[in-house]
Amino acid sequence: DQQVKQNSPSLSVQEGRISILNCDYTNSMFDYFLWYKKYPAEGPTFLISISSIKDKNEDGRFTVFLNKSAKHLSLHIVPSQPGDSAVYFCAASENNQGGKLIFGQGTELSVKP
Amino acid sequence: DAGVIQSPRHEVTEMGQEVTLRCKPISGHNSLFWYRQTMMRGLELLIYFNNNVPIDDSGMPEDRFSAKMPNASFSTLKIQPSEPRDSAVYFCASRGQGYSPLHFGNGTRLTVT
Repeated sequence: DQQVKQNSPSLSVQEGRISILNCDYTNSMFDYFLWYKKYPAEGPTFLISISSIKDKNEDGRFTVFLNKSAKHLSLHIVPSQPGDSAVYFCAASENNQGGKLIFGQGTELSVKP
Repeated sequence: DAGVIQSPRHEVTEMGQEVTLRCKPISGHNSLFWYRQTMMRGLELLIYFNNNVPIDDSGMPEDRFSAKMPNASFSTLKIQPSEPRDSAVYFCASRGQGYSPLHFGNGTRLTVT
């Protein structure tokens, strides 16, 4: 049972345009959501997070939106840069589960110059 | 801050052999997680520890897999006997208290022939 789903395995975007990565979840008890970025041969690195009491969190070019009623979150990257090309994972947790993070399958973003 | 340190980076072994993966978490972090990444299943949680105590090992695929955390600065994941389907990248991650993100190591790429 995949509790966190990223339905798009890949996304290609032109440099300077917006990248939108999507994630859906099924567990209504999740209260903390994160996005990670992963380059080849490296571990995932934390990008941005949002708690369930908010619907938006922004950090520079990166914004995460949370729609609790739809159990959907998205990551917006504006403007996209070639260095953003990587695999992006969304993850979710219930804080009373001791921080156990459940990850989606990942979306490979390619930003073309 | 040295980050999460995993060893070895690469391991190639023959089916039936014992494999031991090692992890040193970030100093001061009280939770440690072992994940496995495969093309089919993405990043799946195998087991996690809080304060050196295993909390949830429901993701450990079979009895061939075992994990220990003898102290706050060291953990091992052992596979015995190893099988070709165990081939994957194994990540260790650690985190501190509360709503804080996981910090990942660079992983161990395991190949079982």
